[in-house]
Amino acid sequence: DQQVKQNSPSLSVQEGRISILNCDYTNSMFDYFLWYKKYPAEGPTFLISISSIKDKNEDGRFTVFLNKSAKHLSLHIVPSQPGDSAVYFCAANQAGTALIFGKGTTLSVSS
Amino acid sequence: DAGVIQSPRHEVTEMGQEVTLRCKPISGHNSLFWYRQTMMRGLELLIYFNNNVPIDDSGMPEDRFSAKMPNASFSTLKIQPSEPRDSAVYFCASSFITGKTDTQYFGPGTRLTVL
Repeated sequence: DQQVKQNSPSLSVQEGRISILNCDYTNSMFDYFLWYKKYPAEGPTFLISISSIKDKNEDGRFTVFLNKSAKHLSLHIVPSQPGDSAVYFCAANQAGTALIFGKGTTLSVSS
Repeated sequence: DAGVIQSPRHEVTEMGQEVTLRCKPISGHNSLFWYRQTMMRGLELLIYFNNNVPIDDSGMPEDRFSAKMPNASFSTLKIQPSEPRDSAVYFCASSFITGKTDTQYFGPGTRLTVL
């Protein structure tokens, strides 16, 4: 049973517009959520995270929103750039345990 | 720091052969994770170690897979005998687990092809 789900396998956005990537989870015990970005032939790289005690965390063009009641988080990228084209993984865990990853969403930003 | 180092980057072998993947975690990190990425299953955890001790190996597919961490700076993932269905990208990651934030840092991966 998938505890972390990314229901959209792909997303296409024009340069300069907002990209919104979504993630749903089932385990209410998760207390830490992360987004990773992955380019071809490279390992996933950490992008941004949020603790369950917060509902928003912002880092430059990237903002993660957490809605605990809906067990939903999203990653907003504003403005989107062609270099943002990659696979984005959502992950979650309880402190001290291994991360559980979603299957990823491929973002394509066209210029 | 050089980040997580994995070797080899690519491995092509024949069915039945033994394969050993290697990982050097980031210095100072106390946890190490082995993942496998396939198109069908995405990124799945195989095993993780905390302070060199295996904590959860429930993701290891079967007895053909084994992992060791003899010291804080080295780990191996071994497949013996290898099968074509083991073809995947294998990632190693490390982190410093504090009980609060557990950001994991990934290596570049080893692309394994079993013919």
